[in-house]
Amino acid sequence: QQPVQSPQAVILREGEDAVINCSSSKALYSVHWYRQKHGEAPVFLMILLKGGEQKGHDKISASFNEKKQQSSLYLTASQLSYSGTYFCGTVEDDKIIFGKGTRLHILP
Amino acid sequence: GAGVSQSPRYKVAKRGQDVALRCDPISGHVSLFWYQQALGQGPEFLTYFQNEAQLDKSGLPSDRFFAERPEGSVSTLKIQRTQQEDSAVYLCASSFGGLGVGQPQHFGDGTRLSIL
Repeated sequence: QQPVQSPQAVILREGEDAVINCSSSKALYSVHWYRQKHGEAPVFLMILLKGGEQKGHDKISASFNEKKQQSSLYLTASQLSYSGTYFCGTVEDDKIIFGKGTRLHILP
Repeated sequence: GAGVSQSPRYKVAKRGQDVALRCDPISGHVSLFWYQQALGQGPEFLTYFQNEAQLDKSGLPSDRFFAERPEGSVSTLKIQRTQQEDSAVYLCASSFGGLGVGQPQHFGDGTRLSIL
């Protein structure tokens, strides 16, 4: 079952904050987050494992709530380089099931 | 090389032709995955190898799709009798261990396949 991401698209001005949500109808054990720029490979951001932990990577952090079966990605003081499509992925057996993505566009 | 390498970068084929897409994973990575990505969508799982063993091929859309990794390193995805609906970006990813231990996947730039 594909996780659902929201919003589908976001337009921000440089320096603004954003939150991207990822929800699953199935029990979550881990969530992967990736960013993909047009024509490029998806780039790994972080993995969250069962335990409700929050992780950070520069000004990008994420939380994982396995009870609510959801994860959220937080982008603080966004930079132009943050533009791209963000995918969450839930792990089922030996594979990642990716959401449809959230397109983020940062304006100068 | 430093990252996952895929070739060719672009492939144009006529409907009915066979194509072969190559993936060279990061050295030492045990796991290798193939995904299909349609325009504006997330990557969709096709198949998974652990070393040379193909452990999951549940995502392959039809028996026209075939993947192999004979020596546990380079992998080839072959599509026979291509159809227009096969047009997509095919992504390869590798990881040091399996997903069960929380390993990140490292993706190649993909092969953009266009079927005329």
